[in-house]
Amino acid sequence: DVKVTQSSRYLVKRTGEKVFLECVQDMDHENMFWYRQDPGLGLRLIYFSYDVKMKEKGDIPEGYSVSREKKERFSLILESASTNQTSMYLCASTPSIGGISYEQYFGPGTRLTVT
Amino acid sequence: KQEVTQIPAALSVPEGENLVLNCSFTDSAIYNLQWFRQDPGKGLTSLLLIQSSQREQTSGRLNASLDKSSGRSTLYIAASQPGDSATYLCAVFQGGSEKLVFGKGTKLTVNP
Repeated sequence: DVKVTQSSRYLVKRTGEKVFLECVQDMDHENMFWYRQDPGLGLRLIYFSYDVKMKEKGDIPEGYSVSREKKERFSLILESASTNQTSMYLCASTPSIGGISYEQYFGPGTRLTVT
Repeated sequence: KQEVTQIPAALSVPEGENLVLNCSFTDSAIYNLQWFRQDPGKGLTSLLLIQSSQREQTSGRLNASLDKSSGRSTLYIAASQPGDSATYLCAVFQGGSEKLVFGKGTKLTVNP
């Protein structure tokens, strides 16, 4: 079974703090993704990575950065957390074959609250 | 720009009923379509993946169909159970990108 793990299920941070969310997958997948999920807005893509040290902006990258130093690990960084970044954060991974992505697997999510 | 719509947003049915969830998308240039289940406060669990060349996929009591030309997919759940209560999301892999585009989901409640 593919496993995608996230470092925390719940996190509470203060405004202005630097926040790291970690995601690890154990299936040697090329592609990894960070989403946030908010009521009424659905899932929105923040950043994705299709290879080590490669990253692409998603639909809402402002206020976030990412790091992928190893294939299995993809980190989301909030440089200076703000209250509007309170959300559920979901990490996902998928294999890529011939440039086409296949079934996407999600982690359990991190509920981040910024006060 | 690809848009994915799921109707209805919420559905409540009695246990044992067969039901259909709908998903429509505006751009038929997709690689595949995936159905997910999400329980409250949890991540997404993949249920079924249909490649663009396929018409349907089945897993247990679930059957998903895809009509790419009309931009529609349905998820059929047979003999629904209270444990099926969850939010169901569909998502399409857009041609030319590595990104999934999600619908906002249908919240299903199966009443005992």
